[in-house]
Amino acid sequence: GQQVMQIPQYQHVQEGEDFTTYCNSSTTLSNIQWYKQRPGGHPVFLIQLVKSGEVKKQKRLTFQFGEAKKNSSLHITATQTTDVGTYFCAAPPTGNQFYFGTGTSLTVIP
Amino acid sequence: GAVVSQHPSWVICKSGTSVKIECRSLDFQATTMFWYRQFPKQSLMLMATSNEGSKATYEQGVEKDKFLINHASLTLSTLTVTSAHPEDSSFYICSARFASSYEQYFGPGTRLTVT
Repeated sequence: GQQVMQIPQYQHVQEGEDFTTYCNSSTTLSNIQWYKQRPGGHPVFLIQLVKSGEVKKQKRLTFQFGEAKKNSSLHITATQTTDVGTYFCAAPPTGNQFYFGTGTSLTVIP
Repeated sequence: GAVVSQHPSWVICKSGTSVKIECRSLDFQATTMFWYRQFPKQSLMLMATSNEGSKATYEQGVEKDKFLINHASLTLSTLTVTSAHPEDSSFYICSARFASSYEQYFGPGTRLTVT
C-alpha cells in the first residue's frame, strides 16, 4: 500500500516548548487527515486538509498541506502534558482507503 | 459525536481456534467500515475496507480466507480470525464512516492473544 513517512519517530519536549511533526508522501495526495492516539487509546480525528497550501488552526495546533500536496505538517505551540500521544497523518491515494503514516510519538516532560 | 464500539475488548484463544470481533456504529449508519491491525508502538496497518452489502476489499498481503469480514448491516461489521496462530496476536481496530463524512470514527480496539 501507500507509503506515508513521518518524522521524527519520537520527540521528547519540555512542557511549554513547541513541537512539529512532518508527513511525506512520494505521490500527490488528494487530501490528508491527522489523528491523535493517546497511550492505550484509539485514534481520534483531528482535521482534514484538501487544498494545496492550506493552513488550518485549532487553538495551539497548526496544520499545513504542502503546495505540491505531497507533504503536511502539524505544529503544536507551547506543548502541554495533555498533548502526549502519537500523531498520525493518514492519506487516501485512491477511493475510500486511508493509509496511516508511521506516526510520531510525543512525550511532554512537565 | 459518532460512537463506534468493539466487542470483545480483549480475547485470549488457543491456537487453531477462530475468533469473531464485532464492530458497531452506535448512533449512525456506517456505509463504510475499515479494519486495521496495530502492533505495539507501530502504526495502523489497513487490512480491509468493507461496504455494507458487498464483499470486503482486502489489502495486499492480507489473506481473505483467514480474516473473514462481513458487513451485513449499516451498523455492524465483523472480523473473524480463522484458525488463529500466535503470530495473529495483535490489536485490531475498526473504524466507520458515513456517506456524507470524510472523518473516520474509531472503535476502542480488540486485543487478541493467541496461545
